[in-house]
Amino acid sequence: KQEVTQIPAALSVPEGENLVLNCSFTDSAIYNLQWFRQDPGKGLTSLLLIQSSQREQTSGRLNASLDKSSGRSTLYIAASQPGDSATYLCAVNTGTASKLTFGTGTRLQVTL
Amino acid sequence: DTAVSQTPKYLVTQMGNDKSIKCEQNLGHDTMYWYKQDSKKFLKIMFSYNNKELIINETVPNRFSPKSPDKAHLNLHINSLELGDSAVYFCASSQDLGGQPQHFGDGTRLSIL
Repeated sequence: KQEVTQIPAALSVPEGENLVLNCSFTDSAIYNLQWFRQDPGKGLTSLLLIQSSQREQTSGRLNASLDKSSGRSTLYIAASQPGDSATYLCAVNTGTASKLTFGTGTRLQVTL
Repeated sequence: DTAVSQTPKYLVTQMGNDKSIKCEQNLGHDTMYWYKQDSKKFLKIMFSYNNKELIINETVPNRFSPKSPDKAHLNLHINSLELGDSAVYFCASSQDLGGQPQHFGDGTRLSIL
């Protein structure tokens, strides 16, 4: 059974800092991994999707890496801004009917 | 234009009632999902449909019955509501079952009194 863990559970950083969010999964037989952000009272916004054959994906200030063999992914946020404050979720697609298994989330606060 | 829309946004009702949540997507996707986010914010899949056909039923009580009248709609009907059903329910869609990104609605917050 796939289990996905995210560390840390919460993180507070001052504006401008670079930061890394971690995601680990127990079964390395994945199809892809997706990073989302969730704002309070809102749905999930897809940030990046990395296929199992890829090592990293970039979008603006965001960079996600994937090490499938060790069961790890990281989301790097450069030059953080208060608008980045949200909960970040990683989700692993095992390929079985596109079923996503979600991590526990990291609640990020970027302070002025 | 909202890609994945759910109604209602909030639902407050009493134990034992029956309620429905509607979901529609205008992305032309073939696959739709229902997820439940509990009080600890943990998200778990409940159902998925592909072209109106049930694909995933993740050991959800049979009080929950999804219905897909066409591939743009996936509704969730819940019978005999229980306190433990209080949660936020999210609808999502993806192009097909090939692992494309999933797009989520804003959620329906269900509160059982």
